[in-house]
Amino acid sequence: EVQLVESGGGLVKPGGSLRLSCAASGFTFSNAWMNWVRQAPGKGLEWVGRVKSKPNGGTTDYTAPVKGRFTISRDDSKNTLYLQMNSLEIEDTAVYYCTTTYDLGVLNYWGQGTLVTVSS
Amino acid sequence: DIQMTQSPSSLSASVGDRVTITCQASQDISNNLNWYQQKPGKAPKLLIYDASNLETGVPSRFSGSGSGTDFTFTISSLQPEDIATYYCQQYDNLPFTFGPGTKVDVK
Repeated sequence: EVQLVESGGGLVKPGGSLRLSCAASGFTFSNAWMNWVRQAPGKGLEWVGRVKSKPNGGTTDYTAPVKGRFTISRDDSKNTLYLQMNSLEIEDTAVYYCTTTYDLGVLNYWGQGTLVTVSS
Repeated sequence: DIQMTQSPSSLSASVGDRVTITCQASQDISNNLNWYQQKPGKAPKLLIYDASNLETGVPSRFSGSGSGTDFTFTISSLQPEDIATYYCQQYDNLPFTFGPGTKVDVK
């Protein structure tokens, strides 16, 4: 059974940093392309970015509002995905979900999410 | 970025009704379109991928169609457990983008 468990969310001040983790199990993590998707309170879904599998180059892509501030990485030895968030802004307040990818852009499994609140 | 629109933004229907949601892309996305269901307080769940393929384990009352810029999502017979918000998502181009969602409730 595929399981994705996010952690690391919490309250942080504007300008601060936070690192989210997503522990994966039930599939071959090292072959998976992984994504982060966020959802501001009461709002819709926003794709944050993705990391390809290392056999496919391990490269990352991001949405424009987070480029240069957020970094997605992976540790295949620990089956864990990370989202390093720096220079946080109030607008980054959201539930952050990690997801697996099927066929380039089908987000087929989702974690339960972790809430990040950016507030002074 | 590719803009996704959905209509209606919300709807209320009776159990057993046929429910249809439309999704439009700002440019041709072929069939690179998925549909997700999100129940309150829960993570989204994939229902339909590649515009018309039913994800394994999803009830057959859910279906999708379309290609290019215009897509349709249908619940053939609405059930009480279908109360949720439904989102379309394109993956033809980065960044992946979602529609604003359609909230479905039961009369």
